[in-house]
Amino acid sequence: QQQVKQSPQSLIVQKGGIPIINCAYENTAFDYFPWYQQFPGKGPALLIAIRPDVSEKKEGRFTISFNKSAKQFSLHIMDSQPGDSATYFCAASAGGYQKVTFGTGTKLQVIP
Amino acid sequence: NAGVTQTPKFQVLKTGQSMTLQCAQDMNHNSMYWYRQDPGMGLRLIYYSASEGTTDKGEVPNGYNVSRLNKREFSLRLESAAPSQTSVYFCASSEDWREGAYEQYFGPGTRLTVT
Repeated sequence: QQQVKQSPQSLIVQKGGIPIINCAYENTAFDYFPWYQQFPGKGPALLIAIRPDVSEKKEGRFTISFNKSAKQFSLHIMDSQPGDSATYFCAASAGGYQKVTFGTGTKLQVIP
Repeated sequence: NAGVTQTPKFQVLKTGQSMTLQCAQDMNHNSMYWYRQDPGMGLRLIYYSASEGTTDKGEVPNGYNVSRLNKREFSLRLESAAPSQTSVYFCASSEDWREGAYEQYFGPGTRLTVT
């Protein structure tokens, strides 16, 4: 049972484009929504996270948009660069660490 | 600081063999986790440890056992490896979530193949 659905599975954009990765969840108890970035051969690393009391959060070129009523959240990467090429995972947790559920991942390729 | 370290980096086992994956963190974190990563499946939690002396099952615990040896170390054991356990295994740690610290720090992973 997949509690966090992520799309697309893969994405190719040109440098400067704005890739968008979408996630949807079912469990209304989720109260923390992080995004992790993973480069080949490395472990995931936290990129940005949001709580449901805000609709948007920006950190540098990365923005999370959150729609509580639709139970959806998305990651936007402004002015994407080849160095952003990685796999991105959305995740959600409810009330603590042990409930972290990850999406299936999106492999992003930014071509020069 | 080395962060989260895992050994070995690569391992090939035959069906039925046993092995232990080692994980250590030097960030004085209370909580530690073991995940497996499979293509198209994302990261799935195998076991976690809220603090030294406690362990709990995650989403996919069957075929695995864990030991929280001390605050720094959390090992994952496969007693009788099966081809279905071919995967990349990640260890992670985090500060006390009860203090609002949710970020998990991941190790570099162990790539395990069971033939």
